[in-house]
Amino acid sequence: DTEVTQTPKHLVMGMTNKKSLKCEQHMGHRAMYWYKQKAKKPPELMFVYSYEKLSINESVPSRFSPECPNSSLLNLHLHALQPEDSALYLCASSQDPSGRTYEQYFGPGTRLTVT
Amino acid sequence: SQQGEEDPQALSIQEGENATMNCSYKTSINNLQWYRQNSGRGLVHLILIRSNEREKHSGRLRVTLDTSKKSSSLLITASRAADTASYFCATASIQGAQKLVFGQGTRLTINP
Repeated sequence: DTEVTQTPKHLVMGMTNKKSLKCEQHMGHRAMYWYKQKAKKPPELMFVYSYEKLSINESVPSRFSPECPNSSLLNLHLHALQPEDSALYLCASSQDPSGRTYEQYFGPGTRLTVT
Repeated sequence: SQQGEEDPQALSIQEGENATMNCSYKTSINNLQWYRQNSGRGLVHLILIRSNEREKHSGRLRVTLDTSKKSSSLLITASRAADTASYFCATASIQGAQKLVFGQGTRLTINP
């Protein structure tokens, strides 16, 4: 199984809502990532988890809160978002947490709209 | 900015022709990767080339890497309509290989 799954595919939320994005992989990968991608732009790294521990936070606002409950699951909790947070949120995983030797596998993304 | 530059930003060719995309970057790298993204979907890994490699092939794909010029190119031979997508290069630096930094991307259109 070489798939990364993400739910939901689409999410519309108001600025006062609390919602969560979910990501799952069963490839035994020990590094998982959250990216944000605006239209016609490249993905931008938000967070990296290595062996279920947060290893990189790219100065992301606290209204985004990541969680890695176990080696297969990655969540992104959303609270009090702004309309400019509307984007495609991509989850990825890789076998090698050092990043030196292996590619990243991406999920299909969650299209988030903040109203 | 650590992000790489890709050119061209957009490329439109006829089916069967070859497509070449270029990527330049700024830092010393551990490896460079190319990804494809169909509209609004996740990225698909195409090929990874390490800093000590100069050329790599995978099917119809050929990637070159010139670390002295901090540049890479992706060649797709005998293009097909299904190759229509955005193509991104991504670099993993020596200092922090976990963090992939993506180029701006090339939007490739293959006309039947």
